[in-house]
Amino acid sequence: DTGVSQDPRHKITKRGQNVTFRCDPISEHNRLYWYRQTLGQGPEFLTYFQNEAQLEKSRLLSDRFSAERPKGSFSTLEIQRTEQGDSAMYLCASSLMAASYEQYFGPGTRLTVT
Amino acid sequence: DQQVKQNSPSLSVQEGRISILNCDYTNSMFDYFLWYKKYPAEGPTFLISISSIKDKNEDGRFTVFLNKSAKHLSLHIVPSQPGDSAVYFCAASMTTDSWGKFQFGAGTQVVVTP
Repeated sequence: DTGVSQDPRHKITKRGQNVTFRCDPISEHNRLYWYRQTLGQGPEFLTYFQNEAQLEKSRLLSDRFSAERPKGSFSTLEIQRTEQGDSAMYLCASSLMAASYEQYFGPGTRLTVT
Repeated sequence: DQQVKQNSPSLSVQEGRISILNCDYTNSMFDYFLWYKKYPAEGPTFLISISSIKDKNEDGRFTVFLNKSAKHLSLHIVPSQPGDSAVYFCAASMTTDSWGKFQFGAGTQVVVTP
């Protein structure tokens, strides 16, 4: 296993379109996290899963955002009716529950909404 | 509400010298602190962490110091090497609530010059 992977790496979309990102965590990791990073800022927590259960959602995650981890393996993050303010780097991370302090990040998906 | 702050956006240091990165936090409930390092086009990678029951943790060239009364932590890199040139993020978490949900600072860009 080579680490956390994210697809696509870059996405350009027009305002109002829906987009979906995928994250494949390290295989034995039962926790999966989504973060958003805007220019000049650190990553901001969006949501996290323990196996297939979504345990917490940030208030940053408006009702246009939805995340799933259907079989406790890969996860998807969907943004509906994208807005220009959604332009950011979307980072996924995974960890073992017992070692949640050590999260392994993927390279991110850079979203540009025009 | 920025609860973790890195007030120096950039730091330039000569190879072989000490790099000192600072981080302040406002939430006294934070009890676990981490530093992540990020190279361009990659996700952040875990560097070192410290629990609030300690005031120092050392790992090779990297040492993190925690001053709970001042709500301040710092990362020392000695000696600095060109490969240390990266963005460094400070992060904080509460082990008693949503363990693994990190609050990140905005980052400090470190440039190590020959």
